[in-house]
Amino acid sequence: DSGVTQTPKHLITATGQRVTLRCSPRSGDLSVYWYQQSLDQGLQFLIQYYNGEERAKGNILERFSAQQFPDLHSELNLSSLELGDSALYFCASSVGGVQPQHFGDGTRLSIL
Amino acid sequence: GIQVEQSPPDLILQEGANSTLRCNFSDSVNNLQWFHQNPWGQLINLFYIPSGTKQNGRLSATTVATERYSLLYISSSQTTDSGVYFCAVARARLTFGEGTQLTVNP
Repeated sequence: DSGVTQTPKHLITATGQRVTLRCSPRSGDLSVYWYQQSLDQGLQFLIQYYNGEERAKGNILERFSAQQFPDLHSELNLSSLELGDSALYFCASSVGGVQPQHFGDGTRLSIL
Repeated sequence: GIQVEQSPPDLILQEGANSTLRCNFSDSVNNLQWFHQNPWGQLINLFYIPSGTKQNGRLSATTVATERYSLLYISSSQTTDSGVYFCAVARARLTFGEGTQLTVNP
């Protein structure tokens, strides 16, 4: 058990819809990261938050947004969903700086 | 950005065999991690090893930062070792390699 909790584990929805993925980091971790794993793109970094502030952006689409709340949990919002958004979405957390990242079990998103 | 190459892409072993997985990266890094993704999709943290050598049971890893590569050794492999092994490196954010798909047959 990594200590990082992601909900829901599975999500099935239709094109054009909007979903919210939730992540609770390990106790004491200030940094939260979101990654997308798809069959054609592999594991890609989307965005990082540190103590409530956006710290780094990767290959995140404009239809996607994220935030980190004062209690340090984070949410990833995906809107106007397309078939290609079907993927496994991981959240990771770390203390911050150059420290190991610990991954949650992921949310498997299927777009029908 | 940093390029990460893993080899071999696929590996099939009989139970009890040993193996070495390699990760090459294109620039100096502050963080290097090895992960095992099991058949259920979970990413299990194996090692945090930006340099040096670490061992954990049947697994060990060595990173030679000056030569920009890392090796993951699996000894006496078991069927539960099957899955995809990822190397990920970072200066600021983790960049993953494409992984090595390991199949261990009984």
